[in-house]
Amino acid sequence: DSGVTQTPKHLITATGQRVTLRCSPRSGDLSVYWYQQSLDQGLQFLIQYYNGEERAKGNILERFSAQQFPDLHSELNLSSLELGDSALYFCASSVEGTSGTDTQYFGPGTRLTVL
Amino acid sequence: GENVEQHPSTLSVQEGDSAVIKCTYSDSASNYFPWYKQELGKRPQLIIDIRSNVGEKKDQRIAVTLNKTAKHFSLHITETQPEDSAVYFCAARKYNFNKFYFGSGTKLNVKP
Repeated sequence: DSGVTQTPKHLITATGQRVTLRCSPRSGDLSVYWYQQSLDQGLQFLIQYYNGEERAKGNILERFSAQQFPDLHSELNLSSLELGDSALYFCASSVEGTSGTDTQYFGPGTRLTVL
Repeated sequence: GENVEQHPSTLSVQEGDSAVIKCTYSDSASNYFPWYKQELGKRPQLIIDIRSNVGEKKDQRIAVTLNKTAKHFSLHITETQPEDSAVYFCAARKYNFNKFYFGSGTKLNVKP
C-alpha cells in the first residue's frame, strides 16, 4: 500500500456525461500528479499540482480539469466524455522538496468505462 | 523537454535467466531515474531508483546502472521468477522540474 488513495475504484458512465475522480496523497506529500493509461499503453502525464497550485501540464484535454484543495486532496474532472476516455486514471504524490529527486508513489487507480 | 526511450517493448526469458531493460534520455540535466513495475490492472510500484551522483544501485535480484555520459540507464533482473512477469517502466526527471517523463514500457514474460 503506497498511502495514496483514490476513489472510486471503478466508474461506468455514458458518453456525454461528466465524472469526478478523487485522490488523497500520502501524509506530508504536497504534490499530486494525474496520469491516464489506456489499454496496453504507457502512462500519459496529465497535470501536476503543488500545494494547491497548478505546476505542470501535460497532454490534458480541454474537457478535463483538475484542482487541489487546501487539505491537499485533488480532484480530476472529466466532462463531455467520449468512448476514447475509457482508461485507468492514476494519481501519484510526492513530497516535492528542493532536490528534484523525490520519489513518486502511485495510488490504486480509477478504472473509467465510457459506454 | 525530456524524451525517454525504452527498449525492448517485449522481453521473454526462461525462469532463472537474467533480463535487461534499457532506457535512454535526452536531457543531460535529468538527475533522478526511477523504475516501476506494473502488474495487470494494478498501480505502478517503485522497485528501484537511482540518482545521478551514483553509477549503480542494487537491491537483491534487481540492479540499476546509470551512464551519464551516454545518457542511458538500465534495469537488470537476475534469477528471474514467474512473478517477475509484468510491465516495467523507466522514468527520468530533472532538478527543479516537475514532470516525470516515462518510457513506453517493457512487457516482461518469465516462462516457467
